[in-house]
Amino acid sequence: DTAVSQTPKYLVTQMGNDKSIKCEQNLGHDTMYWYKQDSKKFLKIMFSYNNKELIINETVPNRFSPKSPDKAHLNLHINSLELGDSAVYFCASSQTVGNSPLHFGNGTRLTVT
Amino acid sequence: DAKTTQPPSMDCAEGRAANLPCNHSTISGNEYVYWYRQIHSQGPQYIIHGLKNNETNEMASLIITEDRKSSTLILPHATLRDTAVYYCIVRVANTDKLIFGTGTRLQVFP
Repeated sequence: DTAVSQTPKYLVTQMGNDKSIKCEQNLGHDTMYWYKQDSKKFLKIMFSYNNKELIINETVPNRFSPKSPDKAHLNLHINSLELGDSAVYFCASSQTVGNSPLHFGNGTRLTVT
Repeated sequence: DAKTTQPPSMDCAEGRAANLPCNHSTISGNEYVYWYRQIHSQGPQYIIHGLKNNETNEMASLIITEDRKSSTLILPHATLRDTAVYYCIVRVANTDKLIFGTGTRLQVFP
């Protein structure tokens, strides 16, 4: 069973389009995250949600809007895509109880042309 | 910014122990040291974490110095499938934020 699953795995789209990436976890965790890995392979946190509430927002443009319909899902919607948005986006989850490790999905490779 | 420094790359012969060092000289007393790895095209995989005592699990051992300013991840018998980028991370106290650095690219060769 896949613990943290993301769809789609690959996403190719044109500048100016709006797209969404979905994430689901079946670990019963109450905190979910989005990380971005750019072409230089740096992994940076974008958002975290705890029980459907936004906890961390790391100065991400407001074109990026996370949506958490329930604590098992955290989707990422991106408006007006730009070339610089091309990256691999990773979803992760953890349990809030102190220092529980994060479990990551296998990423969505977004290419904006 | 990441609070850790790691060598950019290391090599290890298959079957030998891989010892990956990490410096975290500014670590605070209630911050944990975490290790993750990322195999090409996959998501980061949790390996182990610790506060001040040495830790061991089925994947690896973590040795933390007494002053907590550095640590070493040990893969006791490296295999080709252990080739990956290994990240040493200090977890910011009382937050869920993991700040990744540039990691160590470990190449295991036959």
